[in-house]
Amino acid sequence: KNEVEQSPQNLTAQEGEFITINCSYSVGISALHWLQQHPGGGIVSLFMLSSGKKKHGRLIATINIQEKHSSLHITASHPRDSAVYICAAQETSGSRLTFGEGTQLTVNP
Amino acid sequence: ETGVTQSPTHLIKTRGQQVTLRCSSQSGHNTVSWYQQALGQGPQFIFQYYREEENGRGNFPPRFSGLQFPNYSSELNVNALELDDSALYLCASSWAAKSYGYTFGSGTRLTVV
Repeated sequence: KNEVEQSPQNLTAQEGEFITINCSYSVGISALHWLQQHPGGGIVSLFMLSSGKKKHGRLIATINIQEKHSSLHITASHPRDSAVYICAAQETSGSRLTFGEGTQLTVNP
Repeated sequence: ETGVTQSPTHLIKTRGQQVTLRCSSQSGHNTVSWYQQALGQGPQFIFQYYREEENGRGNFPPRFSGLQFPNYSSELNVNALELDDSALYLCASSWAAKSYGYTFGSGTRLTVV
């Protein structure tokens, strides 16, 4: 069992739909990161959470520390949101990030 | 404020050769972490450098080594390349070893033939 698990692995949506990607982790963390990776490979940091909820534009990230679970929501999805979304746990024992395997999101027009 | 720059962007090497990948950290950052991402998988932690010293290492053999320079840029060296070393190599910089904020580079795509 991976220390960080994401679901679903693949997600296809129609433009305008509300999207949720889930992340569960089994390690103690100091922060949980949500990242976006486009086909070229570069990674962009979307959110860093240690509690509660954060919002940036159409993106919302929540975390439940007790349940060791985080979600990334995209409202009014758009084809430009198509990318791989990765959650990563920053462990309390150090600064390394342990990554999930990513969710491939495709938003069709 | 500059971001993280990695070079080269793409590289093809032959099995058994050696390779050096480079990373310039974001201005003001003193910590660099390296990750290997195989196709279709999440990145795996290789090691981290903080103030020119190795500060943590993942489950990679000794033929993976690194350096950090006084300007906090970093190199990843891989000796005796194997086919399974083919991957995207990502560099991330941060302010301190346990910093919350990371800036990632665009990666170096290494193909070993």
